[in-house]
Amino acid sequence: SQQGEEDPQALSIQEGENATMNCSYKTSINNLQWYRQNSGRGLVHLILIRSNEREKHSGRLRVTLDTSKKSSSLLITASRAADTASYFCATDPGYQKVTFGTGTKLQVIP
Amino acid sequence: DTAVSQTPKYLVTQMGNDKSIKCEQNLGHDTMYWYKQDSKKFLKIMFSYNNKELIINETVPNRFSPKSPDKAHLNLHINSLELGDSAVYFCASSLSAGGLETQYFGPGTRLLVL
Repeated sequence: SQQGEEDPQALSIQEGENATMNCSYKTSINNLQWYRQNSGRGLVHLILIRSNEREKHSGRLRVTLDTSKKSSSLLITASRAADTASYFCATDPGYQKVTFGTGTKLQVIP
Repeated sequence: DTAVSQTPKYLVTQMGNDKSIKCEQNLGHDTMYWYKQDSKKFLKIMFSYNNKELIINETVPNRFSPKSPDKAHLNLHINSLELGDSAVYFCASSLSAGGLETQYFGPGTRLLVL
């Protein structure tokens, strides 16, 4: 079964607002990554957080990881129309295999 | 230059046909992958090769056969296509195998089986 599940499945916000999406996973992981997929395109890597890290920032992105709850969140601050995309978490349980979640579809309305 | 390229971009074919999708990466990576993304955007790994050796082979029908002639290429051949094979197929590559590596994705091949 799928390792990661994102919540919500879809999110619609106004430009300038913050967007938060969550990822829950089932087994212990070594690290967790977030990817973005624009419509009709391949996935693009955003950020990686290791299992011994709790929070990481990259520009307008903030990722948290709570290994006790087996969950991660991705916060996009001051969203822009260009942030409209699907966002996927990807987990690494350590078997040379990265497993992608079900994705959150974000729409940012100008 | 495109880092990971796939051909064709679109593929429309009849049930029962055999088709191939090609993938090439010019990043000098050792590891390449094939993923299938269905209509619900669920992305599932199919195969992974590291230095031309198969390292991941998920539960995929044996009608699907990957081939890696060299580190820079990973092709996917599909025999006897079925309606359920309709999906977007993504090729990806990473510097090496393992979860710490960033994967670089191709633009996808949209396969429609009629």
